[in-house]
Amino acid sequence: DQQVKQNSPSLSVQEGRISILNCDYTNSMFDYFLWYKKYPAEGPTFLISISSIKDKNEDGRFTVFLNKSAKHLSLHIVPSQPGDSAVYFCAARRNSGNTPLVFGKGTRLSVIA
Amino acid sequence: DAGVTQSPTHLIKTRGQQVTLRCSPKSGHDTVSWYQQALGQGPQFIFQYYEEEERQRGNFPDRFSGHQFPNYSSELNVNALLLGDSALYLCASSRGPHKEGYNSPLHFGNGTRLTVT
Repeated sequence: DQQVKQNSPSLSVQEGRISILNCDYTNSMFDYFLWYKKYPAEGPTFLISISSIKDKNEDGRFTVFLNKSAKHLSLHIVPSQPGDSAVYFCAARRNSGNTPLVFGKGTRLSVIA
Repeated sequence: DAGVTQSPTHLIKTRGQQVTLRCSPKSGHDTVSWYQQALGQGPQFIFQYYEEEERQRGNFPDRFSGHQFPNYSSELNVNALLLGDSALYLCASSRGPHKEGYNSPLHFGNGTRLTVT
């Protein structure tokens, strides 16, 4: 049973436009959410996170939105750049204690110049 | 500031063999977690080591075992390899409980690509 779901395996966006990556979760105990970016032959790199006490967190071109009632979060990248082409993983955990991250399957973003 | 380092980068083994993967955590980190990423999947939690003990474990069989050394580095051992063990094995480090920054995001290494034939 997948607790974190990324239903779009891939997404193509033109350079300069907005990229929106979506993630759904089923475990209501999750209260801390993260996005990681992964390039080929590299490990995942932390991008941005959000606690369940917030509904939005922004860091430069990256914004994460959290809708707790829908158990849904999204990552917005504006404007998209070719260097953003990578696999993006949504991850979640319970913030109490050092609980392990639960990852989605990832979405491959291609930004076309 | 050295990040998480893993060795080897690639490994090919035969079914039934045993393998040991190694990880050195990021400077200042004392907790090591191991994840398995199969093709087309997200990383799955194997186990976590802190103060040289296994603290948490995911849904993996006993063929998967580990160790943490006094210098915080860690090993992942897999016995009786199966074809299905072929995957990218990721090590991640963090600070332990009651340490400043322990809720900070995990830092991952580049992984070890294991192929079982």
